[in-house]
Amino acid sequence: ETGVTQTPRHLVMGMTNKKSLKCEQHLGHNAMYWYKQSAKKPLELMFVYNFKEQTENNSVPSRFSPECPNSSHLFLHLHTLQPEDSALYLCASSQQLNTGELFFGEGSRLTVL
Amino acid sequence: GESVGLHLPTLSVQEGDNSIINCAYSNSASDYFIWYKQESGKGPQFIIDIRSNMDKRQGQRVTVLLNKTVKHLSLQIAATQPGDSAVYFCAEINDYKLSFGAGTTVTVRA
Repeated sequence: ETGVTQTPRHLVMGMTNKKSLKCEQHLGHNAMYWYKQSAKKPLELMFVYNFKEQTENNSVPSRFSPECPNSSHLFLHLHTLQPEDSALYLCASSQQLNTGELFFGEGSRLTVL
Repeated sequence: GESVGLHLPTLSVQEGDNSIINCAYSNSASDYFIWYKQESGKGPQFIIDIRSNMDKRQGQRVTVLLNKTVKHLSLQIAATQPGDSAVYFCAEINDYKLSFGAGTTVTVRA
């Protein structure tokens, strides 16, 4: 248990569906992150939130829409995705920014048909 | 492109032997490096970090070495165990963002 919980663990969706990924951290951390992990590629940073404010959008397409209602919860809303968006989406948290010690959830495995 | 990269995508190690995983980086201004381990079906897990004012740091059964001259770091695992089978990533902090290299898959042979 890392203290970071992601749901659902697996998700299959069509290209016209709307779905959301949820992340919750029980560590009292102030920063939260979304990363994308595709086969044969390094982890890609998507979004960073610090004290609920978005500090980084790493040129992510608008079909991915993050939401951070409080420091403990982070969502990734998905709409009109493409098959190439199929990947493992990892949420992480850290006590503050500019630290190398992130705590990752187990990820949500997304398949877009 | 990647700012940190691994030398070998796979490493097979006999149980009980020492493992060495290598990583190179390109930015000479980089000053903070981290190693992560990712087991099958799990998210990455922090192992150890090192700042550029050090050239060696030890943890439990792990040692990270940093050679700033050739922009190289390595992770050494002593007495490798079956539970060490995983993908290992080096990472660096740039402008408060953590960037990962491609991983090395370590397989431990019984």
